[in-house]
Amino acid sequence: ETGVTQSPTHLIKTRGQQVTLRCSSQSGHNTVSWYQQALGQGPQFIFQYYREEENGRGNFPPRFSGLQFPNYSSELNVNALELDDSALYLCASSLTVLQGYTFGSGTRLTVV
Amino acid sequence: DAKTTQPNSMESNEEEPVHLPCNHSTISGTDYIHWYRQLPSQGPEYVIHGLTSNVNNRMASLAIAEDRKSSTLILHRATLRDAAVYYCILYNAGGTSYGKLTFGQGTILTVHP
Repeated sequence: ETGVTQSPTHLIKTRGQQVTLRCSSQSGHNTVSWYQQALGQGPQFIFQYYREEENGRGNFPPRFSGLQFPNYSSELNVNALELDDSALYLCASSLTVLQGYTFGSGTRLTVV
Repeated sequence: DAKTTQPNSMESNEEEPVHLPCNHSTISGTDYIHWYRQLPSQGPEYVIHGLTSNVNNRMASLAIAEDRKSSTLILHRATLRDAAVYYCILYNAGGTSYGKLTFGQGTILTVHP
């Protein structure tokens, strides 16, 4: 098992810019979710993809969008960055939710 | 989303058992009880889950009350590596919340040598 890998590990962007974060799922996992974790808080669900289709979404605006590719890797795109978007972004993959998600170590995004 | 209530923090000594409580009085019949933990500078890690019966795995045990309104995560012998934030999460596989794990504040576990 290779686990979930995310890139980059750290990123600094300017307010108003766009950012793309990347995630490679654990081998064999066809479901990927993205979470946002502000400092001192628990992770908040952004959305989930299953076999390249979004099948669940949390309370995040449309400027948060994603893609899942045929090899089950995934991207999170955020447009028009705001200062409050500064957070740790976590990717998690699973074969089935009831088997538990495997999380990556996250991308730390700072918006200045 | 059904809510869970956990103590903000707990402390333990190394090699002693740890019982982490979680209250979920509004749990529905189809909610699974999941536990994850998050070590410093890492993403959350799946620990265990259950529906009605007590569960054991290599990491921990999960004791679920008969009325399912509370549960307890049991670490049989705490080690320094178990120091983490522990999250108790109710997960319902159906409906529009598919895939959504709702993390609360969790319990910060400190393990003393």
